Amino acid sequence: AQSVTQLDSQVPVFEEAPVELRCNYSSSVSVYLFWYVQYPNQGLQLLLKYLSGSTLVKGINGFEAEFNKSQTSFHLRKPSVHISDTAEYFCAVSGSTDKLIFGTGTRLQVFP
Amino acid sequence: DTGVSQNPRHKITKRGQNVTFRCDPISEHNRLYWYRQTLGQGPEFLTYFQNEAQLEKSRLLSDRFSAERPKGSFSTLEIQRTEQGDSAMYLCASSLGSPNQPQHFGDGTRLSIL
Repeated sequence: AQSVTQLDSQVPVFEEAPVELRCNYSSSVSVYLFWYVQYPNQGLQLLLKYLSGSTLVKGINGFEAEFNKSQTSFHLRKPSVHISDTAEYFCAVSGSTDKLIFGTGTRLQVFP
Repeated sequence: DTGVSQNPRHKITKRGQNVTFRCDPISEHNRLYWYRQTLGQGPEFLTYFQNEAQLEKSRLLSDRFSAERPKGSFSTLEIQRTEQGDSAMYLCASSLGSPNQPQHFGDGTRLSIL
């Protein structure tokens, strides 16, 4: 069975500071990893995905994530956040089946 | 790319009533998924279709829930005899149809049971 753990339910940060949102996964098979962002009362928007190849993945809005197989992690990073990055962020995994397994989310709150 | 469309955006109903939601996927996408998201949680998988065939159903999908995709295009999710615990955001997603293809989500239907 696959699972995703997002250890931080909330991450407060000041504007222009760097941020890291943590994600750890568990799976007995090879996985595909995703980060999605959700703004209030909206659906999920794909930020980036890891399928294979380079372990450093760049996504939209200046976000990037690094796949670490030995630590089973896929942490999301941004060097300088903006007020508009305030949202809920979800890490997700899919493997041999097509369904996405999501973490419980991390609320990123950016303060001026 | 017009995106995934879901209707209605909000539905308020009394306990015991039946409700139906509609999802229109991105036109060239052959896979369609339904998820449920409760407050403070990540989305949970309910079911998915490959064209008109329903390929997998979660145990969360009780016998009061039924989903269809009759012509392999739009899909409907019906909940019969709604209960308080059914209050949630119901999300639809579509994709080109393999585990490494990203799923594109609609804005969801928020169901509130009075």
